[in-house]
Amino acid sequence: GNSVTQMEGPVTLSEEAFLTINCTYTATGYPSLFWYVQYPGEGLQLLLKATKADDKGSNKGFEATYRKETTSFHLEKGSVQVSDSAVYFCALLTGGFKTIFGAGTRLFVKA
Amino acid sequence: DTAVSQTPKYLVTQMGNDKSIKCEQNLGHDTMYWYKQDSKKFLKIMFSYNNKELIINETVPNRFSPKSPDKAHLNLHINSLELGDSAVYFCASSQASVSYEQYFGPGTRLTVT
Repeated sequence: GNSVTQMEGPVTLSEEAFLTINCTYTATGYPSLFWYVQYPGEGLQLLLKATKADDKGSNKGFEATYRKETTSFHLEKGSVQVSDSAVYFCALLTGGFKTIFGAGTRLFVKA
Repeated sequence: DTAVSQTPKYLVTQMGNDKSIKCEQNLGHDTMYWYKQDSKKFLKIMFSYNNKELIINETVPNRFSPKSPDKAHLNLHINSLELGDSAVYFCASSQASVSYEQYFGPGTRLTVT
C-alpha cells in the first residue's frame, strides 16, 4: 500500500544552520507530494508541493525536489530561524481523496 | 476571515457523555475531512465528504458519526466518550480540481476525564 516514511525527530539546530528532513515514499502510480508545517497550537498548513517527477517545490526558503528514482522528497532550508520551530509532515496523494501523512518530524531551532 | 473554523477550540467532558464538534469552511471547497491527532502528533484520517457524500470512512468506532448538512459544513458527533478519545481533532477542506491540497482548521482539543 501507499506509505510515507520521514526521519524521526526531534531535530535540534542552531539558528542559521542548514536543515534537511528526509522523506521517502511508497506509492503506486504517480503521486503528488506535499510538505505541511504545524506551528505550536495551530492546524497544519501547506508549505510546498510537487506534482510530478523532478519538480521542485519552494516556499519561505524551504525547498524539496520530487525524486522518482529514489522515491524521495527531502525538505531543505539553507538557514533556519527560531520561528521555523514546528512539526513538519511529508504527505502523498495518489488518485482519490486520501492524503497519506508521515509521522511528522519536530524541529527545534535554538537562538 | 477565517478559512476553516472549528468550534469549540477546547472541550473537556466526562466519560460516557455525548459531544459534537462543528466545522465550517468559507473557501468554496467541495471536500471536507476529519482527522484525529494523538499526543505524538500522528495524524489519522477519520472521514471525508465530497459534495455532501461520504467518500472516506476509516476504521473508527461507530460511536463517531459525521454529518454534512451542506458543502460548507462538516460536524462530528461522538457518543459515549471514552478516555482514549482524548486528542486534537482537525477539520480540513480541499477542492478536488486543485491538486487536493488541504486547508486545516485550528483544531479542537478534546479531553475526556
